[in-house]
Amino acid sequence: KNEVEQSPQNLTAQEGEFITINCSYSVGISALHWLQQHPGGGIVSLFMLSSGKKKHGRLIATINIQEKHSSLHITASHPRDSAVYICAVKGNQFYFGTGTSLTVIP
Amino acid sequence: AAGVIQSPRHLIKEKRETATLKCYPIPRHDTVYWYQQGPGQDPQFLISFYEKMQSDKGSIPDRFSAQQFSDYHSELNMSSLELGDSALYFCASSSTGREWDTEAFFGQGTRLTVV
Repeated sequence: KNEVEQSPQNLTAQEGEFITINCSYSVGISALHWLQQHPGGGIVSLFMLSSGKKKHGRLIATINIQEKHSSLHITASHPRDSAVYICAVKGNQFYFGTGTSLTVIP
Repeated sequence: AAGVIQSPRHLIKEKRETATLKCYPIPRHDTVYWYQQGPGQDPQFLISFYEKMQSDKGSIPDRFSAQQFSDYHSELNMSSLELGDSALYFCASSSTGREWDTEAFFGQGTRLTVV
């Protein structure tokens, strides 16, 4: 049983495309995080959400608490966006999605 | 803004050696969580501390121990290292004690390689 489900698992896009990654969770949470991890790299925090919407540069994250769902959008995708994007929710501990591996092709 | 600091960033150890990983939380954060992420695997919860006391325990091997100090930094001590301990170890910190967290942050992790 996965407390956090992400989709898609793998995503390939052409440079410039608009990308959406989805996250659904089944536990009660106090916050949801979107994380980025490059191959062999560490964890980079992109967003922390407890409600509504946040925007940082070309990245937008939304959360619907009632539906227990969040989306991460990347506008005008670029090859340097290629990474694994992980959704993590904070209950009594953190629960992680399996990640979405994004490849942006020039 | 200050973030969660982990040290060292990279560590190479031989089998049966010991290692100590450190996590310095965001100032005023009182809770630290430790996770282990093996190559190509999902993060696994190891252990957490709140106000210097262990608050929850996950899949932490008996060879590992951890503690949180008076300044809220935490150390993960790993003994009798095995090849399978090679992984990214990262921590997260938050401010707990209220119904809703206002913020939580993740460290970049310590990449441990056991040879």
